[in-house]
Amino acid sequence: TQLLEQSPQFLSIQEGENLTVYCNSSSVFSSLQWYRQEPGEGPVLLVTVVTGGEVKKLKRLTFQFGDARKDSSLHITAAQPGDTGLYLCIGSARQLTFGSGTQLTVLP
Amino acid sequence: DAGVIQSPRHEVTEMGQEVTLRCKPISGHDYLFWYRQTMMRGLELLIYFNNNVPIDDSGMPEDRFSAKMPNASFSTLKIQPSEPRDSAVYFCASTSFERGTQYFGPGTRLTVL
Repeated sequence: TQLLEQSPQFLSIQEGENLTVYCNSSSVFSSLQWYRQEPGEGPVLLVTVVTGGEVKKLKRLTFQFGDARKDSSLHITAAQPGDTGLYLCIGSARQLTFGSGTQLTVLP
Repeated sequence: DAGVIQSPRHEVTEMGQEVTLRCKPISGHDYLFWYRQTMMRGLELLIYFNNNVPIDDSGMPEDRFSAKMPNASFSTLKIQPSEPRDSAVYFCASTSFERGTQYFGPGTRLTVL
């Protein structure tokens, strides 16, 4: 059974701080997707990483796929209250594997 | 495009009752996924369809759960009989290819009393 450990589970920070969320696995993924989910809504795709070592930037968000395609990180620079939400990683191989989610709260 | 449409948005029912959740995927998407989300277990894949055919239902918790996709524009997830532990948010998602971007519906929040 593939596992995708996501950490931290909960994170509460002040506006302007930086943060990093991690997804780690012992399994190799062909791709990994990061989603953000706001209360009462479904998850919305932020980015898909496919190549080992790949780095993608989306404004203040930086996503990295590990060289071995077993792990990924999401770094947010100068967090804002609008970044508040549940961040999910989903790894894709022979099956989909889900991280448990990181509930981020950015306080003004 | 209207996106993935789910109904109802909220459902409150009593234990033992039958519950039917509905989903309309994005037109042209060949894959449809049903998920369940709870605080304890996070997001779980229940079943997914390709071209209206169930491909993997290994995530379906037990025989009380069933899903159908009679045509490309409609799917149902049925729970019969429902139990309090079925309380969760149920999401439907669709995509145009298996590893592609999944577009999620707004979810149905189910409460079984």
